[in-house]
Amino acid sequence: KAGVTQTPRYLIKTRGQQVTLSCSPISGHRSVSWYQQTPGQGLQFLFEYFSETQRNKGNFPGRFSGRQFSNSRSEMNVSTLELGDSALYLCASSQDSAYGYTFGSGTRLTVV
Amino acid sequence: EDKVVQSPLSLVVHEGDTVTLNCSYEVTNFRSLLWYKQEKKAPTFLFMLTSSGIEKKSGRLSSILDKKELFSILNITATQTGDSAVYLCAGGDSGGGADGLTFGKGTHLIIQP
Repeated sequence: KAGVTQTPRYLIKTRGQQVTLSCSPISGHRSVSWYQQTPGQGLQFLFEYFSETQRNKGNFPGRFSGRQFSNSRSEMNVSTLELGDSALYLCASSQDSAYGYTFGSGTRLTVV
Repeated sequence: EDKVVQSPLSLVVHEGDTVTLNCSYEVTNFRSLLWYKQEKKAPTFLFMLTSSGIEKKSGRLSSILDKKELFSILNITATQTGDSAVYLCAGGDSGGGADGLTFGKGTHLIIQP
């Protein structure tokens, strides 16, 4: 059974640019969540999607957005990149919240 | 604002020792407490504790949840070098789902041979 797949693995962008990250959940999982991990703040919740609907959003500016497709794959977009957006972005999928979440290996974004 | 605090932040022990990692939480509408192990990138799910399951065990790892005192511990017995990792604790509401998990900063565990 394939795990959670995130692409790309690494990304370098310039300030002001925008970026799109992709996440393919485990087959059959309808919930996808996104997290930002930095050395200073740790793992912070960005948003969660279930059946193409955003159910909740963390405390991040509107530059961070996402969407989920009918096949449960999800994308996250960050516009007008800032240096502080440099982080590991992790995606997690779940079949049912009672079973916890499975994380992907993440996308390492560096903004220069 | 929800908060999860882990201690210690780092710990160095010798192979064969037993370690106890601590996690205290303040989560509105708390439903579950999760433990993850992060070695390089992807956090790996270890345990999920809820009011219906306050003690879990898997091999050398075990965890308990004290809902009255709002804390959880993760025990690792007979530690091995492969246990070296960052251990993350997270509090979840609504069953650890829609409202997102609140993570602690993690405990960086180093097992010396």
